[in-house]
Amino acid sequence: QVQLQESGPGLVKPSQTLSLTCSVSGDSISSSTYYWTWVRQYPGTGLEWIGYTRKNGVPFYNPSLKSRVTISRDMSKNHFSLQLTSVTAADTAVYFCARGELWWDSWGQGTLVTVSS
Amino acid sequence: DIEMTQSPDSLAVSLGERATINCKSSQSVLYNSDNKNYLAWYQQKSGQPPKLLIYWASTRESGVPDRFSGSGSGTDFTLTINSLQAEDVAVYYCQQYYKSRTFGQGTKVEIK
Repeated sequence: QVQLQESGPGLVKPSQTLSLTCSVSGDSISSSTYYWTWVRQYPGTGLEWIGYTRKNGVPFYNPSLKSRVTISRDMSKNHFSLQLTSVTAADTAVYFCARGELWWDSWGQGTLVTVSS
Repeated sequence: DIEMTQSPDSLAVSLGERATINCKSSQSVLYNSDNKNYLAWYQQKSGQPPKLLIYWASTRESGVPDRFSGSGSGTDFTLTINSLQAEDVAVYYCQQYYKSRTFGQGTKVEIK
């Protein structure tokens, strides 16, 4: 049973970089055929796919965020990470990590990141 | 981007009755080369992450009760919950994976 857990600062100042990590257990991100994804949910309901990293390590991003997003992985720690630069209040959301490429069958519980000075 | 529009935004259904949620995409998500509709459905209960219910528009995820079913093709899709149970109270989302990935705005299902 795969489990995912997000971690990182809950408060980020405007213009700074948001950094989150997703720790994976029950599956290996280096050998799994699955892709490893970040999704965010704005206050209220709206969900937005951010991007994913693949087995070969090559990421793929939502075009609307591509200029600010980096998704990387650390195979030795079996985790993958999200960096989002130049954040504004509009980036305030619950950030989820999940497993899958087309759809996502396992999710972390999510972590709220607030962008505020 | 492919825009996904769900209707209604919310609905209240009596226990044991049927709930029907619609999802319309701004362009077809039917991929001609494999004749598959690139659409999934999720259930999100309060304080929890989304849970995958259906993919390829009508394939139920393992462990999902058979009262949940998906149908439709091209641009128009439906999630049906037969014999609504109290534990089905949630927000339901459709999501396309034909081009990039986008979600509908969600439909809140409550008990009447």
